[in-house]
Amino acid sequence: ETGVTQSPTHLIKTRGQQVTLRCSSQSGHNTVSWYQQALGQGPQFIFQYYREEENGRGNFPPRFSGLQFPNYSSELNVNALELDDSALYLCASSPGTLYGYTFGSGTRLTVV
Amino acid sequence: RKEVEQDPGPFNVPEGATVAFNCTYSNSASQSFFWYRQDCRKEPKLLMSVYSSGNEDGRFTAQLNRASQYISLLIRDSKLSDSATYLCVVNGRGYGGATNKLIFGTGTLLAVQP
Repeated sequence: ETGVTQSPTHLIKTRGQQVTLRCSSQSGHNTVSWYQQALGQGPQFIFQYYREEENGRGNFPPRFSGLQFPNYSSELNVNALELDDSALYLCASSPGTLYGYTFGSGTRLTVV
Repeated sequence: RKEVEQDPGPFNVPEGATVAFNCTYSNSASQSFFWYRQDCRKEPKLLMSVYSSGNEDGRFTAQLNRASQYISLLIRDSKLSDSATYLCVVNGRGYGGATNKLIFGTGTLLAVQP
């Protein structure tokens, strides 16, 4: 059973640029969530996808958007990057019930 | 008020000590509760779920008090390898929208000293 995989592992972008982060969910998991973790903070919920539909959104601006594909993999897109977007971005998948999530190892984004 | 509140620590304890972490949550409609462990620069990993009756997994004991909206984690006989950040997590049912949205505390840093 494969776990959650994310790519890339590290990324450096310039303020104003756009970025796409990718996530392959664990086999059999149809629910994918994205979290942002700033240094010294707990992960903050960005949004969740269930069977290719957005199924909830946290307090993030519209320049944070996402997709889920038929194979349940997912993308997080961030437009007009700001310095404060520098963080660890975590993808997590779930079988879609009230169980704990399995997290990927994250993408560390640095905006300069 | 934060949705999930934890003492950020750090907790510096000697090997073999017993240490307890506490957490409170604000939404009484929350239905699922977890403790996650996060090593430095790594992803969070599920340590254990927390059930109303309390539950134990080896040296780890978790308890939930729904009336007080309070969750605890007890670690007995601390090992050096227990050094990590412990995140209190509440499933966000009742917040609307995403049933499985996880609400994280800021985490409590534990450093076990030799």
